[in-house]
Amino acid sequence: DVKVTQSSRYLVKRTGEKVFLECVQDMDHENMFWYRQDPGLGLRLIYFSYDVKMKEKGDIPEGYSVSREKKERFSLILESASTNQTSMYLCASTSQGNTGKNIQYFGAGTRLSVL
Amino acid sequence: DQQVKQNSPSLSVQEGRISILNCDYTNSMFDYFLWYKKYPAEGPTFLISISSIKDKNEDGRFTVFLNKSAKHLSLHIVPSQPGDSAVYFCAASVSGVGATNKLIFGTGTLLAVQP
Repeated sequence: DVKVTQSSRYLVKRTGEKVFLECVQDMDHENMFWYRQDPGLGLRLIYFSYDVKMKEKGDIPEGYSVSREKKERFSLILESASTNQTSMYLCASTSQGNTGKNIQYFGAGTRLSVL
Repeated sequence: DQQVKQNSPSLSVQEGRISILNCDYTNSMFDYFLWYKKYPAEGPTFLISISSIKDKNEDGRFTVFLNKSAKHLSLHIVPSQPGDSAVYFCAASVSGVGATNKLIFGTGTLLAVQP
């Protein structure tokens, strides 16, 4: 079974703090993704990475950065947390394979509250 | 612009009856479609998918139908069970050479199955 592990289930941070969200996958997947989920807005892509040290902006990258130093680990960084970044953050991974079956596997999520 | 739309935010059905969740898309380049199920405080889990070369895919109680001309897909759950109560997300992607493996998600439909 694919396992995607997010380091924290719940986090409470103060406005202006630097926040690190960590994600590790054990399936040697090339592609990794960070989303946030908000009521009525579905899952919105923040950043994704298709290889080590490679990153691409998603639909809502403002206020975030990412790091992918190792294939299995993809980190999301909030440089200066703000209250509008209170959300559920979800990490996912998938193989680069060209079978056409683009199934992403998700971690359990991190519920971040910024006070 | 929302490329994948789930116009029903919620749906309530009786246990044992059929649940039908709907999804519309606008991008004719999408060729692979997925449904994910999400319980509160957990990550989405893959449920079922369909390639654009098919119009139906079945897995136990779950069947996905694809109508390419209408750019519409639906998920049927028969019979519905209380444990099916969750948020269901529709997602779409473009596969093939050069594809980024990105998924575009709908906003989700909350299904409540009443005992």
